[in-house]
Amino acid sequence: GAVVSQHPSRVICKSGTSVKIECRSLDFQATTMFWYRQFPKKSLMLMATSNEGSKATYEQGVEKDKFLINHASLTLSTLTVTSAHPEDSSFYICSARDGPHAEQFFGPGTRLTVL
Amino acid sequence: GENVEQHPSTLSVQEGDSAVIKCTYSDSASNYFPWYKQELGKGPQLIIDIRSNVGEKKDQRIAVTLNKTAKHFSLHITETQPEDSAVYFCAASIIDMRFGAGTRLTVKP
Repeated sequence: GAVVSQHPSRVICKSGTSVKIECRSLDFQATTMFWYRQFPKKSLMLMATSNEGSKATYEQGVEKDKFLINHASLTLSTLTVTSAHPEDSSFYICSARDGPHAEQFFGPGTRLTVL
Repeated sequence: GENVEQHPSTLSVQEGDSAVIKCTYSDSASNYFPWYKQELGKGPQLIIDIRSNVGEKKDQRIAVTLNKTAKHFSLHITETQPEDSAVYFCAASIIDMRFGAGTRLTVKP
């Protein structure tokens, strides 16, 4: 299957700082990328959907000014957690696909810890 | 929106036995049903999927069945091995994907 990478895999930051997470599709062009959040022993919760060149669509309850998403190219999407707080600590996972009915490939996840 | 329910939340089987995980979905328009395996600290990996025009699909020890009328689909793992131990998620999709709550499968040697 296709490969999706995330960077960094793990990040620890201080409360009040911003953190950027990158999601890259390595061997295909991702017209759509998704960002999920996963709490320990819980399921994946969709945060937002981003299409290349368009503004992201956020799920209800997700603050778009808090979680900035940019999908500037067909192989890269970024999630920036602004003014991070301890409650933002979580496992963030991206996924990507190359068409509306195509298989979705997941990245390995980024564990964010906010002190 | 789509709501996916998954059962059981935990499942423990003896090596060599079969394991079955069941999911139901609410939106009859959903047309794609993947199953993912997630190991600790990693992203989900697709293990098998089925589309709404198919009733059953098999890949070696793994099979998925879909009942569109009842809006439920199931994952079947035969001859389980300790390395099958992980969390399994079902999902249903029209455009974007909604996940079940997950099933923690433990295969005891």
